[in-house]
Amino acid sequence: DQQVKQNSPSLSVQEGRISILNCDYTNSMFDYFLWYKKYPAEGPTFLISISSIKDKNEDGRFTVFLNKSAKHLSLHIVPSQPGDSAVYFCAASYGGSQGNLIFGKGTKLSVKP
Amino acid sequence: DAGITQSPRHKVTETGTPVTLRCHQTENHRYMYWYRQDPGHGLRLIHYSYGVKDTDKGEVSDGYSVSRSKTEDFLLTLESATSSQTSVYFCAISAGAGGRGNTEAFFGQGTRLTVV
Repeated sequence: DQQVKQNSPSLSVQEGRISILNCDYTNSMFDYFLWYKKYPAEGPTFLISISSIKDKNEDGRFTVFLNKSAKHLSLHIVPSQPGDSAVYFCAASYGGSQGNLIFGKGTKLSVKP
Repeated sequence: DAGITQSPRHKVTETGTPVTLRCHQTENHRYMYWYRQDPGHGLRLIHYSYGVKDTDKGEVSDGYSVSRSKTEDFLLTLESATSSQTSVYFCAISAGAGGRGNTEAFFGQGTRLTVV
C-alpha cells in the first residue's frame, strides 16, 4: 500500500511559467516532508523540506505548500527554467521511524524553451 | 558535495551468485540507507542503519542483508542474486532520522546492477 503518492508521472511546462508538482500521503503520522530532484545517471539531490507545523516553506524559486487536512503537499517552481527538467520525488518521514524515509514514484518535469 | 562513495558503480553478475555493494561516507553521519530505484516504483527503501551494528528492514528487504561495523561503511549483500534484483541502488546518509530538521539525506551516485 503506497503511503506517498505522486499521481502524475509526467508534467510539461513552458519556460517562465509556473510548475506545480503534487504529492498525497496516507499516513497521518508523517510530520516531515521533503522534495528531491533527480537528473539521469545521478543520485537524487535535496531541494526543499517542510515540517508539519508549517503550511508553507519558500527557497528562492521553490515553494512547498502543505495541507495537512487533505494530506496533500505541492511544490511550486516559479519561474520554470529548462534546467529544472528532471524527475521530482516527494518523500515523508515521522519522528518514531528511526530514519525511514518513504518516497513517492516521482514526476518527470519537462520545461520547454 | 556530501562525501559519499558507492562501489562498484556498475556490475554485471550471474543469477545465484552473491554480490556486495559498498557505501562509504566521510561525513560521520549516524544514519545510512540503501534504496533501489526501478521504473514505475520510484525509490524504495531496502535497509537502513541508525548506528554501528544497528540496522533495520525497509519496504523491500527480502533477499538482501546489510552490515555496518564502522560508522563510515554500510554494506548491502545480495545473498543469491536474482534477475528481479536488477536495479539501480542508491546509498544515502543523514545526520538526523529521515532527513529531519536541517539534516536532509544526501545520496550517492548509484550502482547499476545487472543480474543475468
